[in-house]
Amino acid sequence: GQQVMQIPQYQHVQEGEDFTTYCNSSTTLSNIQWYKQRPGGHPVFLIQLVKSGEVKKQKRLTFQFGEAKKNSSLHITATQTTDVGTYFCAGNSGNTPLVFGKGTRLSVIA
Amino acid sequence: KAGVTQTPRYLIKTRGQQVTLSCSPISGHRSVSWYQQTPGQGLQFLFEYFSETQRNKGNFPGRFSGRQFSNSRSEMNVSTLELGDSALYLCASSSLQGSGNTIYFGEGSWLTVV
Repeated sequence: GQQVMQIPQYQHVQEGEDFTTYCNSSTTLSNIQWYKQRPGGHPVFLIQLVKSGEVKKQKRLTFQFGEAKKNSSLHITATQTTDVGTYFCAGNSGNTPLVFGKGTRLSVIA
Repeated sequence: KAGVTQTPRYLIKTRGQQVTLSCSPISGHRSVSWYQQTPGQGLQFLFEYFSETQRNKGNFPGRFSGRQFSNSRSEMNVSTLELGDSALYLCASSSLQGSGNTIYFGEGSWLTVV
């Protein structure tokens, strides 16, 4: 079945440094979504990418969807302590349910 | 608009017991999905319901079951609980079923099996 791999599993950065998490699917995706889960919280939707090669920005966050629609990345510029949490990518094809990566846990050291 | 509501938020059960978790989706949403979240396995899909019909099912044993009511509220049941069933159970709703639909998670039900 479809698998979504996400790396790295953990990332510790100094406040102000950049951060990137990568997501790779074993199959071509219809779309990819990104979620953020704060410690003790629940996943919250960030964004959805649909088109091949699509790039979207939300303030300091940049999301990319690969040309082959099998990989994606989330880049945070100049991290802040409010960025702490686990970032999940999730994708699906057709009417299959969303398959989540295992997430990247981001720690920001002030 | 109220978000996805899950009850109970926390519960402790003993091995062999059964548990029922409840989820009220966002008003107007007809699709409800359930996920199990554990530290080691991440978010794993349990099942999805749309208009009272199970549309997709994950790779979980038959001890895990669910249903959806005509008002879109959903319940999931786990029978003969095992220690490994300890997890955060997340319900998510969306307005439509299938690919490309944003899902909105509830705060989850923390289940501890002792």
